Amino acid sequence: AQSVTQLGSHVSVSEGALVLLRCNYSSSVPPYLFWYVQYPNQGLQLLLKYTSAATLVKGINGFEAEFKKSETSFHLTKPSAHMSDAAEYFCAVSGDTGGFKTIFGAGTRLFVKA
Amino acid sequence: DGGITQSPKYLFRKEGQNVTLSCEQNLNHDAMYWYRQDPGQGLRLIYYSQIVNDFQKGDIAEGYSVSREKKESFPLTVTSAQKNPTAFYLCASSIGGRAGNEQFFGPGTRLTVL
Repeated sequence: AQSVTQLGSHVSVSEGALVLLRCNYSSSVPPYLFWYVQYPNQGLQLLLKYTSAATLVKGINGFEAEFKKSETSFHLTKPSAHMSDAAEYFCAVSGDTGGFKTIFGAGTRLFVKA
Repeated sequence: DGGITQSPKYLFRKEGQNVTLSCEQNLNHDAMYWYRQDPGQGLRLIYYSQIVNDFQKGDIAEGYSVSREKKESFPLTVTSAQKNPTAFYLCASSIGGRAGNEQFFGPGTRLTVL
């Protein structure tokens, strides 16, 4: 079975500081990994996805994530936080045998301080 | 513009009533999904459909029902059997029901049981 663990339900950073949101996954097969962002009272929007083409994946709005198989991690980073980055972020995994379902983490809410 | 629409945005229901949430997509996607979102729990899969006239139960299908009579439509009925229906409901679609396909989300419906 697949699973996703997001470390930290809340993360607070100052504007201009590095953003680091942690995600660890468990999968018995090579995974597809995703990061989605959700603004208040809205649906989710894809930030980026890993499909084995490259371990460093660049997404929208200056975000990127690095796939580290040895650490089973897919952490999301952004060099400089902006106020508009305040949102909830979800890490997700799919690719298990016997199905195509996507498993979502519990989410990390990012706060950006002025 | 292509996308997913959900209606209504807010819905109030009395205990014992069935309600139907609408989900329509014009992306020509084969697969559609319903998720329930509760604070701190991420997204949980209720039902999914990989093709017209076919659907499968997800992880928390009890108290819910769906239909898929048209490719573009996947309505969800929350029945009186659902013990705790107050939640944010998200509909999504993907090109096909394959691992690695990103999901596109609607804006959600917030259901409150009075």
